[in-house]
Amino acid sequence: DVKVTQSSRYLVKRTGEKVFLECVQDMDHENMFWYRQDPGLGLRLIYFSYDVKMKEKGDIPEGYSVSREKKERFSLILESASTNQTSMYLCASSLEQGARTEAFFGQGTRLTVV
Amino acid sequence: DQQVKQNSPSLSVQEGRISILNCDYTNSMFDYFLWYKKYPAEGPTFLISISSIKDKNEDGRFTVFLNKSAKHLSLHIVPSQPGDSAVYFCAASARGTSYGKLTFGQGTILTVHP
Repeated sequence: DVKVTQSSRYLVKRTGEKVFLECVQDMDHENMFWYRQDPGLGLRLIYFSYDVKMKEKGDIPEGYSVSREKKERFSLILESASTNQTSMYLCASSLEQGARTEAFFGQGTRLTVV
Repeated sequence: DQQVKQNSPSLSVQEGRISILNCDYTNSMFDYFLWYKKYPAEGPTFLISISSIKDKNEDGRFTVFLNKSAKHLSLHIVPSQPGDSAVYFCAASARGTSYGKLTFGQGTILTVHP
């Protein structure tokens, strides 16, 4: 059974804190993604990675960075959390580009910045 | 610039009837389309996909239709069940350099009444 696991279901952080969201997949997928979900806006891509140590900006990268030191792990970093980063964060993984298969999602992390 | 649009924020249907969820896209490079279902506090789960070389794909109660000339796709659920109540997202990807990156619509909340 395929699995994408996010380290926390719920997080509450203070404005200005550095926040780490961790994601691990056990499917040996090349591609990994971080999205955020907000009401009325759907899922928006923050960053993605297609290989170890490789990363690409998505549609809304400002205020975020990522790290992929190992194939199975993709971390999202909020350098200095702000209240407008309160959101549901979703990690996903998928096979290499030519496979044309779906992305598998983790259970999500509900982050509240106060 | 919303490249994938779901113009109906919500849909209410009686159990046993058909649910039709719609999605429009603007990017002509999109050639692979997916539907995901999401329950509150969970990650999205894959439902069904369709390649641009097809105009219909069926899986049990779920059928996706693609009209390339109109840049429109729809998801039909027949018969609808109360357990189908969730948020439904359509998503699209483009062949080439996207590394499986998905662009999502805003989502449609489906409520199936017993």
